[in-house]
Amino acid sequence: EAGVTQFPSHSVIEKGQTVTLRCDPISGHDNLYWYRRVMGKEIKFLLHFVKESKQDESGMPNNRFLAERTGGTYSTLKVQPAELEDSGVYFCASSHTKSGEQYFGPGTRLTVT
Amino acid sequence: AQSVTQLGSHVSVSEGALVLLRCNYSSSVPPYLFWYVQYPNQGLQLLLKYTTGATLVKGINGFEAEFKKSETSFHLTKPSAHMSDAAEYFCAVSEGGYNKLIFGAGTRLAVHP
Repeated sequence: EAGVTQFPSHSVIEKGQTVTLRCDPISGHDNLYWYRRVMGKEIKFLLHFVKESKQDESGMPNNRFLAERTGGTYSTLKVQPAELEDSGVYFCASSHTKSGEQYFGPGTRLTVT
Repeated sequence: AQSVTQLGSHVSVSEGALVLLRCNYSSSVPPYLFWYVQYPNQGLQLLLKYTTGATLVKGINGFEAEFKKSETSFHLTKPSAHMSDAAEYFCAVSEGGYNKLIFGAGTRLAVHP
């Protein structure tokens, strides 16, 4: 069974540009989470989808961040326009509603210059 | 509000020595507790979890952790460190069952010969 995949693995963009991160959860997992780790800090929750609906987006830092989950499958996280403080590693995780454990992807390292 | 404190951002042990990584949490309701490990260039992998029941939980690779409610702790131990244990370890808590995770800042474990 394929794990959680994320694309791209690395992205380097300039301040003011737009970047879109993608996450493909494990097949059959209704729950999808986004987290972010800014360098040297703890991993922080961004938001939680149940199927295509946003269950909790309390961790989204501001309106420059837009997350979508088309048809309850893959998810995208768009940052527009990117700022220097958006640099970090963005993790995606998915879980099955019954078992609950979250499985993490390898992360996307975003560098904003 | 939930929070997790990991004492020691870096821990160094000799191969064969005891590994002890400390985690304290705060939670207003009975927590679910997790330890994740991140090896270089990989995603987070679940080591073990506590949900309910037996307070001593065993995980993969010989690790175990004990939930101590009175001390609000969930320390991770391994009797004998191996070189392959070198990684970053994260303690996390979720409230109300399986939910968004609140992470500690992480502890980087180094194992030297």
